[in-house]
Amino acid sequence: DAGITQSPRHKVTETGTPVTLRCHQTENHRYMYWYRQDPGHGLRLIHYSYGVKDTDKGEVSDGYSVSRSKTEDFLLTLESATSSQTSVYFCAISFEGGSNQPQHFGDGTRLSIL
Amino acid sequence: AQSVTQLDSHVSVSEGTPVLLRCNYSSSYSPSLFWYVQHPNKGLQLLLKYTSAATLVKGINGFEAEFKKSETSFHLTKPSAHMSDAAEYFCVVSDRNFNKFYFGSGTKLNVKP
Repeated sequence: DAGITQSPRHKVTETGTPVTLRCHQTENHRYMYWYRQDPGHGLRLIHYSYGVKDTDKGEVSDGYSVSRSKTEDFLLTLESATSSQTSVYFCAISFEGGSNQPQHFGDGTRLSIL
Repeated sequence: AQSVTQLDSHVSVSEGTPVLLRCNYSSSYSPSLFWYVQHPNKGLQLLLKYTSAATLVKGINGFEAEFKKSETSFHLTKPSAHMSDAAEYFCVVSDRNFNKFYFGSGTKLNVKP
């Protein structure tokens, strides 16, 4: 299994509070991704990173920010959480864009916003 | 733009019978396609990938998929279902540069004893 660790695995918080999710990899892969998974929608891309300090938006980026200060860590922040952001969040990594390598996924973070 | 449609949200089969999970894609170029499986409370695991080599792709656990350009399809099959195959399956297409991946909405496979 790819060395991907997401933390925390579960979190319950209140509307309006800031939340940060962490993805840590030990594979030295260049690309890292944050997705959210909701019933009937599959996985939808929030943000991704193609290197240290290099990030780009996905299809559902509103209300989320990311940072990547080291190759191994990719942080997802909800600045002011809303109930619509209750979801399961997955981090993924891939070796190199353009190399037709698939993504490898972490086990997810279940986030509930009350 | 790329997109994926999984034609069935739920499929139920009996153990030992064939499995067919259907996927159609839309892409403005020759795509790369993937099937992933997700067991409850777990991340996604790669089953197989198509990247413009052989059109019939074999994956793990006895699964295979056939790329049909004329039908824009990439259906997943297995000759004989096992109880451990019960999970959710996702069809995925990548963009041209493999920078982004687009997921179908998933098909939940139920396997009856």
